[in-house]
Amino acid sequence: AAGVIQSPRHLIKEKRETATLKCYPIPRHDTVYWYQQGPGQDPQFLISFYEKMQSDKGSIPDRFSAQQFSDYHSELNMSSLELGDSALYFCASSDRGGRPEAFFGQGTRLTVV
Amino acid sequence: AQTVTQSQPEMSVQEAETVTLSCTYDTSESDYYLFWYKQPPSRQMILVIRQEAYKQQNATENRFSVNFQKAAKSFSLKISDSQLGDAAMYFCATTSGAGSYQLTFGKGTKLSVIP
Repeated sequence: AAGVIQSPRHLIKEKRETATLKCYPIPRHDTVYWYQQGPGQDPQFLISFYEKMQSDKGSIPDRFSAQQFSDYHSELNMSSLELGDSALYFCASSDRGGRPEAFFGQGTRLTVV
Repeated sequence: AQTVTQSQPEMSVQEAETVTLSCTYDTSESDYYLFWYKQPPSRQMILVIRQEAYKQQNATENRFSVNFQKAAKSFSLKISDSQLGDAAMYFCATTSGAGSYQLTFGKGTKLSVIP
């Protein structure tokens, strides 16, 4: 079965640089979520999209933005990167009209140096 | 707002034995879902089991079962016949039953399986 695809898997950026993370949800899933998991932490909800519209917003910094495109893939854009942004970023998708559980991608490990 | 508490940062179990991981939660929602996710060393988040709050029957998935006590807001995970591959971080999570299903996670319990 198709899963959530995230790219890149690993990313190293310098402080103050910009990063773009991509997510391809499971086919026919209408909702995409982004989570941030710091070292030794639980995942924290950043933002979600339903049918290409922003649905809910969590603890996403103003330096971050995201969008969902017509083909349902989503991108998380992170600017003015800080050392504290180093984390594992997960994308997840679900079918809001069907089962409520979210299925996670393998994550993008971002390291800011 | 929802909160999830996992009071056991670490647990260990002998291979083939049974272990129970604890979770309590708080929510103002009348309709919600509860989940256990497993995160092995690969860091992949894997869904283990789901429970609908409106269902009284406890969910079961093979060797994994839950004890859902709605009045006590408790949602524990029982792993039977523990295997080496069960070693992982286990996160309890909840989500509202309406609108967006974003998850609120507990801090996790690290489970070690002793051969």
